[in-house]
Amino acid sequence: DTAVSQTPKYLVTQMGNDKSIKCEQNLGHDTMYWYKQDSKKFLKIMFSYNNKELIINETVPNRFSPKSPDKAHLNLHINSLELGDSAVYFCASSPRQGHMNTEAFFGQGTRLTVV
Amino acid sequence: DQQVKQNSPSLSVQEGRISILNCDYTNSMFDYFLWYKKYPAEGPTFLISISSIKDKNEDGRFTVFLNKSAKHLSLHIVPSQPGDSAVYFCAASAGANNLFFGTGTRLTVIP
Repeated sequence: DTAVSQTPKYLVTQMGNDKSIKCEQNLGHDTMYWYKQDSKKFLKIMFSYNNKELIINETVPNRFSPKSPDKAHLNLHINSLELGDSAVYFCASSPRQGHMNTEAFFGQGTRLTVV
Repeated sequence: DQQVKQNSPSLSVQEGRISILNCDYTNSMFDYFLWYKKYPAEGPTFLISISSIKDKNEDGRFTVFLNKSAKHLSLHIVPSQPGDSAVYFCAASAGANNLFFGTGTRLTVIP
């Protein structure tokens, strides 16, 4: 039973399209995150939500909009996709804010390719 | 600006020998350090961590060493096993709300 699940696993789309990546955790965690791993393998936080509220919003274009309908879900919607958005996107969760140290669980990642 | 660096993109070790993965950081505010292991097509999974108040933490075959003055940490795996072959990410946090990751080191354990 997957703890943090993302869909889809692979996503290939054309420039200019709008797409969403879904994330669900069944761990009862309060805090969820989106990380981006770029072509240089650099894994960097994009957003953090705690109990459906935005906590961290790193320097990310406003074409990226996270949506948290409930604390078990944090979806990532991307408008007007660009070539540079191609990356692997990881969702993660932790029991509560401030517990990224030892109790973070990651999803399997979504490989987004923009052509 | 990359605050956590893993300068060795890959490492090959014979089965049974010791694997040593290294990590350097620049932010003196980091107070917690972690190692994550990642298999292909899977997300990173937590392996071992260390608080900045310690200089060593051991869990079975895995030991993490922290040298705060050098801003350096290392992961020792002994004895190395073929199943340890994966990408290892070093990560650090300041205040536990975010993790800063290195770019990973691909470990290959040769049977």
